[in-house]
Amino acid sequence: QLVLTQSPSASASLGASVKLTCTLSSGHSNYAIAWHQQQPGKGPRYLMRLNSDGSHIKGDGIPDRFSGSRSGAERYLTISSLQSEDEADYYCQTWDTGVRVFGGGTKLTVL
Amino acid sequence: EVQLVESGGGLVQPGRSLRLSCAASGFNFDDCAMHWVRQVPGKGLEWISGISWNSGSIGYADSVKGRFTISRDNAKNSLYLQMNSLRTEDTALYYCVKDNDYLLDYWGQGTLVTVSS
Repeated sequence: QLVLTQSPSASASLGASVKLTCTLSSGHSNYAIAWHQQQPGKGPRYLMRLNSDGSHIKGDGIPDRFSGSRSGAERYLTISSLQSEDEADYYCQTWDTGVRVFGGGTKLTVL
Repeated sequence: EVQLVESGGGLVQPGRSLRLSCAASGFNFDDCAMHWVRQVPGKGLEWISGISWNSGSIGYADSVKGRFTISRDNAKNSLYLQMNSLRTEDTALYYCVKDNDYLLDYWGQGTLVTVSS
């Protein structure tokens, strides 16, 4: 059974960079994932698709400050030049046979 | 512009039924798989059901299997979720979500379902 693991929380200072991690369970290290952002009080928003080769395709209007990368079973979302509006919950998502799977989410605090 | 607009949420007693609808526009609806994802306030995202473009493949999370039924009407660009035997733990925001090659790429604004006596 495929599981996506995310740290519950992260924090970084205004203007700095932060790298969030999503780890695919054993045997699924070559899966693509999507990253989604959910700002407080709002619905989720698709940020990007991160392919198994490390390439990423961003959603409409997603700033260049957001980028994706990978190493083995880990998938990363890097946000540079942090702004206050980046304070949000970030979810990774992929699929398994017949289902879609979400990670537990990371709550990012911008200090 | 892709738009997904959910409707049909509300307050319902345990054991009763509710039907959610999602009106889609701005893309070729009949080319895309679609899903329902829910979120208990303050908690994470839970995928609950998905349907392929032609309704030939349907899946459910164990938490709703046997109680919820997903369907679609491509002629009306609409997605539905029939929810029967509702429980208090089904209380959540329900989102209609578009699929793009197994990943979810557009979300509706959500409709709130509250199950309470």
